[in-house]
Amino acid sequence: RKEVEQDPGPFNVPEGATVAFNCTYSNSASQSFFWYRQDCRKEPKLLMSVYSSGNEDGRFTAQLNRASQYISLLIRDSKLSDSATYLCVVNLGNYGQNFVFGPGTRLSVLP
Amino acid sequence: DGGITQSPKYLFRKEGQNVTLSCEQNLNHDAMYWYRQDPGQGLRLIYYSQIVNDFQKGDIAEGYSVSREKKESFPLTVTSAQKNPTAFYLCASSTRGSYNEQFFGPGTRLTVL
Repeated sequence: RKEVEQDPGPFNVPEGATVAFNCTYSNSASQSFFWYRQDCRKEPKLLMSVYSSGNEDGRFTAQLNRASQYISLLIRDSKLSDSATYLCVVNLGNYGQNFVFGPGTRLSVLP
Repeated sequence: DGGITQSPKYLFRKEGQNVTLSCEQNLNHDAMYWYRQDPGQGLRLIYYSQIVNDFQKGDIAEGYSVSREKKESFPLTVTSAQKNPTAFYLCASSTRGSYNEQFFGPGTRLTVL
């Protein structure tokens, strides 16, 4: 079983749609969680950290369920500029060097 | 501006040659990392370093070498022993601690001719 798994995608949605990405992780000792976005042929960029209480940043909402070892990202009112690959990242701790990346889910927002 | 720089952006190598990819950061981060990304694939960890003069192998270290002589710099050498080196190479850094995110450089795209 892979350490971090994500929806296989791709997701093709119309502008204005709400889209949800799911991520599961296998190591219950995981310490922290993040969503990154990666544009084609570019580096990953931090979208948001994910906290136990859930957090929201504008149109983006992230949720963490430690009991189910599950992370989600919700994008509301999607824009063309949201088209990218979304990476779920888990930090296993051990002084912060043990980051594990999911394979990513590609999103295309269509006009 | 604080950040991570990588050079060159594009690199072409003949088979049998060693090449060195540069990574510099001015974020005062202790930890630095090298990843490889193949088309349509996720990131795979090559090497990481928590502190100057110390580094550890990641999941795919064979055919690569690194050094960490300065806090700001973490160069990666792709040796001729790496059988399939054509890929997108990403350098990242972070502060030490279990709750801190990584920041990435713009990447180097290596092609073996």
